[in-house]
Amino acid sequence: GAGVSQSPRYKVAKRGQDVALRCDPISGHVSLFWYQQALGQGPEFLTYFQNEAQLDKSGLPSDRFFAERPEGSVSTLKIQRTQQEDSAVYLCASSPRTASNTGELFFGEGSRLTVL
Amino acid sequence: GESVGLHLPTLSVQEGDNSIINCAYSNSASDYFIWYKQESGKGPQFIIDIRSNMDKRQGQRVTVLLNKTVKHLSLQIAATQPGDSAVYFCAETSRQGGKLIFGQGTELSVKP
Repeated sequence: GAGVSQSPRYKVAKRGQDVALRCDPISGHVSLFWYQQALGQGPEFLTYFQNEAQLDKSGLPSDRFFAERPEGSVSTLKIQRTQQEDSAVYLCASSPRTASNTGELFFGEGSRLTVL
Repeated sequence: GESVGLHLPTLSVQEGDNSIINCAYSNSASDYFIWYKQESGKGPQFIIDIRSNMDKRQGQRVTVLLNKTVKHLSLQIAATQPGDSAVYFCAETSRQGGKLIFGQGTELSVKP
């Protein structure tokens, strides 16, 4: 499809397990963002890539969270040793612009992570 | 710290009425604002944006007003329809920051 694609849509993990969430941005989009959305809350910024460079990771809540975009297209958000507080929807968004003029972000439908 | 917040968490309106959703922001350096609509189980969807050099912008059935003096943003939806039922978020950013900062959201419920 032409939109941002995320997988898996739903993931249930036992506490302590590692998870990997994938984002396929819109082809050619330079900027890619990850957000975390807790139930009933607005999305919270996690990290930002411009092409393959991770320019801002100030929102990552701990060193258990790691994101990469090695070839400047697909991105993976990895969470190690998951905790219950990691349960949330993880949203990926892309933009054809760079961060200095962000403009509209195109969001995927998110990956809902539930940690038991 | 800097934040974006909403005055009303829920709003219920009658179909056909106009809706007004409000938002307050605290970062005076913000120069770009966006309203997003999020339906259940979906990602946020762009509605309309406005830059700080404007105080009003109109789209199809929607109008965004920006009052920089009191750091207030509003979204007006004309002739609200059942399909408008969703959670609405305002978000702000600056040229220096790049990242969007979202408010808590307002749930709009449209009664037929």
